[in-house]
Amino acid sequence: GQQVMQIPQYQHVQEGEDFTTYCNSSTTLSNIQWYKQRPGGHPVFLIQLVKSGEVKKQKRLTFQFGEAKKNSSLHITATQTTDVGTYFCAGAWGGATNKLIFGTGTLLAVQP
Amino acid sequence: NAGVTQTPKFQVLKTGQSMTLQCAQDMNHNSMYWYRQDPGMGLRLIYYSASEGTTDKGEVPNGYNVSRLNKREFSLRLESAAPSQTSVYFCASIFDRVRIGNYGYTFGSGTRLTVV
Repeated sequence: GQQVMQIPQYQHVQEGEDFTTYCNSSTTLSNIQWYKQRPGGHPVFLIQLVKSGEVKKQKRLTFQFGEAKKNSSLHITATQTTDVGTYFCAGAWGGATNKLIFGTGTLLAVQP
Repeated sequence: NAGVTQTPKFQVLKTGQSMTLQCAQDMNHNSMYWYRQDPGMGLRLIYYSASEGTTDKGEVPNGYNVSRLNKREFSLRLESAAPSQTSVYFCASIFDRVRIGNYGYTFGSGTRLTVV
């Protein structure tokens, strides 16, 4: 079935270090989205990637979509304590519906 | 603008009891979704409604039923609760097909359900 694998499951960094989480699908995605969930909160949409090889930036966050549209990554430069939370990727495979299948998430802990 | 509203926020059920989780959105969104979140499992899709009048099964539909009451409301029912259904349940919505523009799901704040 359709699924998205996400690694690592957990990452602990010192404030100021970089962080990357990766997502992979065995089949070609139509698009991929990224969400952030703060502890005790709900997922909040960050960005959507649609085009092959697409790269988008939001301040210190860089999102990439692979050339084959099967993988994606989120990179945070110089982490801050406000970056703490779980980052999820979510894949869509097209069709008439727009359901998303979420990865298992990467929990980021940032030590001041 | 309230966005997506879920009720209740917390609930404790005994095994075998039934309950309905309510979800309402005021953004004129067409599609609505129910996910459950368990530690280490991410968000798993239970049921979804691509448009008013339609519902479809997701990844983990067993033990649940849904009703798309109107365009605004999408409810999730547990007919006979089991301890395995202890989870955090999130409702989400989106205006239309996830192919154009840079917008994604809007999530509610969740319902934390414990079945004892």
